[in-house]
Amino acid sequence: GENVEQHPSTLSVQEGDSAVIKCTYSDSASNYFPWYKQELGKRPQLIIDIRSNVGEKKDQRIAVTLNKTAKHFSLHITETQPEDSAVYFCAAGGRGSTLGRLYFGRGTQLTVWP
Amino acid sequence: NAGVTQTPKFQVLKTGQSMTLQCAQDMNHNSMYWYRQDPGMGLRLIYYSASEGTTDKGEVPNGYNVSRLNKREFSLRLESAAPSQTSVYFCASRPGTGAYEQYFGPGTRLTVT
Repeated sequence: GENVEQHPSTLSVQEGDSAVIKCTYSDSASNYFPWYKQELGKRPQLIIDIRSNVGEKKDQRIAVTLNKTAKHFSLHITETQPEDSAVYFCAAGGRGSTLGRLYFGRGTQLTVWP
Repeated sequence: NAGVTQTPKFQVLKTGQSMTLQCAQDMNHNSMYWYRQDPGMGLRLIYYSASEGTTDKGEVPNGYNVSRLNKREFSLRLESAAPSQTSVYFCASRPGTGAYEQYFGPGTRLTVT
């Protein structure tokens, strides 16, 4: 099956700086790569996703890039704010025999200091 | 729309007791999933149901059973709870073919003593 690795496990940045979280995947059949944000005690919420026919996608201060050849994708948050502090999860999945299953990374705890 | 709902929010069980976690969605989604979340381990898939009437094992199915009662509801049963099943359990749903995004419920925090 798919194997997703996520780095770093913790990340601290100053307010206004950028944050980058990186993930790698193993199954070349995966074609869907979402990112979830989970605040303390809350459910994971989808913040952005990308499909393998697209190299980059932006939504305001958040962007995701995908390198299919190298099998890695990254989340970029610019102009970070304290409310960006949360655990972020990457995932990979999509077509093939996985029937829509998503395989999650272990998460990155992002702390934004004011 | 309420989205994905789960009951109960919290539960404490003694070792050996049984219980059923309930999940329902009102988005007319075809697929539903049960995950457990433990510190530092991310979200691990227990069971899933690609469509009404079907269920399949995920990564960590031992000690659990599921029922896809109808298109809306997908329950998770612990027959004989063990301390290793102390976790936060999330249910999720997905629209269906070609749409891969999953939407999560609020979670159930289960403690087994």
